Amino acid sequence: EPEVTQTPSHQVTQMGQEVILRCVPISNHLYFYWYRQILGQKVEFLVSFYNNEISEKSEIFDDQFSVERPDGSNFTLKIRSTKLEDSAMYFCASRSRAGVNEQFFGPGTRLTVL
Amino acid sequence: GEDVEQSLFLSVREGDSSVINCTYTDSSSTYLYWYKQEPGAGLQLLTYIFSNMDMKQDQRLTVLLNKKDKHLSLRIADTQTGDSAIYFCAETPMFSGGYNKLIFGAGTRLAVHP
Repeated sequence: EPEVTQTPSHQVTQMGQEVILRCVPISNHLYFYWYRQILGQKVEFLVSFYNNEISEKSEIFDDQFSVERPDGSNFTLKIRSTKLEDSAMYFCASRSRAGVNEQFFGPGTRLTVL
Repeated sequence: GEDVEQSLFLSVREGDSSVINCTYTDSSSTYLYWYKQEPGAGLQLLTYIFSNMDMKQDQRLTVLLNKKDKHLSLRIADTQTGDSAIYFCAETPMFSGGYNKLIFGAGTRLAVHP
């Protein structure tokens, strides 16, 4: 069964460093998303991406964040200069055009900023 | 604004029914969802209900929607140890456009004991 994959499963970085979180969505999907969950808090929407551009973003997704689909298979989230408060579990999701908004989620990347 | 609330923890005996509750604030929600997260895995869509329905049954799962009170519940009949997981309630705001971000609650941890 096709699934969304994410790498790495855990990333530790120093404050101020850049990180790139990688996702491989399901191959025929067209809509892509990033969400995050700070420990003990809600899963929060960050950004949606369709047709090679951002379709919606939340207040969290400021200019320190960017997304890219560089090669038609990967979907990346870059944080340019990490802060302590960026420590969270980051989930990638994708869905096909049709059907009920069924988003398929990856297992997440745990980002720890020291 | 959009907000989803759920209780954080539920403990049930194996074989009993579990009822997980959720409240939401956005009366324009089109779909409401229940996602399940097992340890080390991504969020998996369990079931959903369209906002013009008040009940949906799917094998051991029953979803009840009270639109007036903005209350959603998930009942799991004959709960098994394999049902132990975190259950997330989520909604799609109508005015999210076609890109359909999900608004999640914090998740309810279901513990099933013998």
